Amino acid sequence: IAGITQAPTSQILAAGRRMTLRCTQDMRHNAMYWYRQDLGLGLRLIHYSNTAGTTGKGEVPDGYSVSRANTDDFPLTLASAVPSQTSVYFCASSETGTNEQFFGPGTRLTVL
Amino acid sequence: GQNIDQPTEMTATEGAIVQINCTYQTSGFNGLFWYQQHAGEAPTFLSYNVLDGLEEKGRFSSFLSRSKGYSYLLLKELQMKDSASYLCAVRDGDYKLSFGAGTTVTVRA
Repeated sequence: IAGITQAPTSQILAAGRRMTLRCTQDMRHNAMYWYRQDLGLGLRLIHYSNTAGTTGKGEVPDGYSVSRANTDDFPLTLASAVPSQTSVYFCASSETGTNEQFFGPGTRLTVL
Repeated sequence: GQNIDQPTEMTATEGAIVQINCTYQTSGFNGLFWYQQHAGEAPTFLSYNVLDGLEEKGRFSSFLSRSKGYSYLLLKELQMKDSASYLCAVRDGDYKLSFGAGTTVTVRA
């Protein structure tokens, strides 16, 4: 692994189903982030974690949850997917909150 | 919250110069970033300004005026591969990034 990986690459999901998007980084970065990107709205922060064991809410946290059990992994869970959660999801990490962020390749999620 | 504005689209000719403006209103300020994003790919870091002035990095330069809430990204000697979206992002007092909607630059031969 080099950098940040996300899985799956894309997914079509029925409304009401539970889904976990995975994110793993091997750079030993302390901070990790989840964004969604929608046409015309840019990247919006969903949740973040400044260090393992801590998480915080971003701009659009409703309907999403995260956990940060260790430094490398930062999964994003949709407890009960809705069509408005159709988006491209990017995970990112940075050495600390003060450095530039590095982005994963993204997960394209469609909720029907 | 943050309010970040940048033009939606710009078109320029190969070899030319293009300037992408970004204005912002923020609750606290801890730096401004520019990212490049090619279609279907992840954003990649281009530049960072935290003090007023110009930062030059090869063909790309970024300028910041904190008093005016204004930044620009200057792309010189445009190449076809520079066709992409350019994202302006501001880091607030809590060290979280807020992104503008992005400017799509199309380079024509």
